[in-house]
Amino acid sequence: ELKVEQNPLFLSMQEGKNYTIYCNYSTTSDRLYWYRQDPGKSLESLFVLLSNGAVKQEGRLMASLDTKARLSTLHITAAVHDLSATYFCAVDIKTSGSRLTFGEGTQLTVNP
Amino acid sequence: GAGVSQTPSNKVTEKGKYVELRCDPISGHTALYWYRQSLGQGPEFLIYFQGTGAADDSGLPNDRFFAVRPEGSVSTLKIQRTERGDSAVYLCASSLGGGVDTQYFGPGTRLTVL
Repeated sequence: ELKVEQNPLFLSMQEGKNYTIYCNYSTTSDRLYWYRQDPGKSLESLFVLLSNGAVKQEGRLMASLDTKARLSTLHITAAVHDLSATYFCAVDIKTSGSRLTFGEGTQLTVNP
Repeated sequence: GAGVSQTPSNKVTEKGKYVELRCDPISGHTALYWYRQSLGQGPEFLIYFQGTGAADDSGLPNDRFFAVRPEGSVSTLKIQRTERGDSAVYLCASSLGGGVDTQYFGPGTRLTVL
């Protein structure tokens, strides 16, 4: 059974600081997705990582994928309050078709 | 363009009742997914349609849950004899063709079973 674990689950940080969210998964996969969810809202796609070593950046967020270590990271640079949200990673594996297995989410709060 | 839409946005029902939740995917998307999200958790997969057929329904928790997509566009998730444990946000997503295509999520239906 595929398991996806994120850490930390809760993250409180100051504006201007850097931090990294980690996503580990238990079964070989080369397809990993990052989503953002604001309170009471649905999920917004951030990144799709499709190969080992893939790195994608958008604004203050950068995501990477290491399929050998079964690890993805979401790095936050110089955080701002608007980044406060819950971040989910999700994995799909070919044997499961197109179903996504999500981590528990990391609730990020950026304080002024 | 228009995103995934879901109706109703909120549904309150009594234990034992029947409910239907509707999803309108992005136009042209052949793949449609249902997930369920409990408070403080990530979404859990329920069922995946490719066109009109259910390609993977292994996430449906029991036979009280059923979903259809008769014309390959709109989908309805049906829950019979609702139980309090069914309370959650039901999310629908669609993608262009399944596989590696990004899944775009709708706003969800918050179901509360009293």
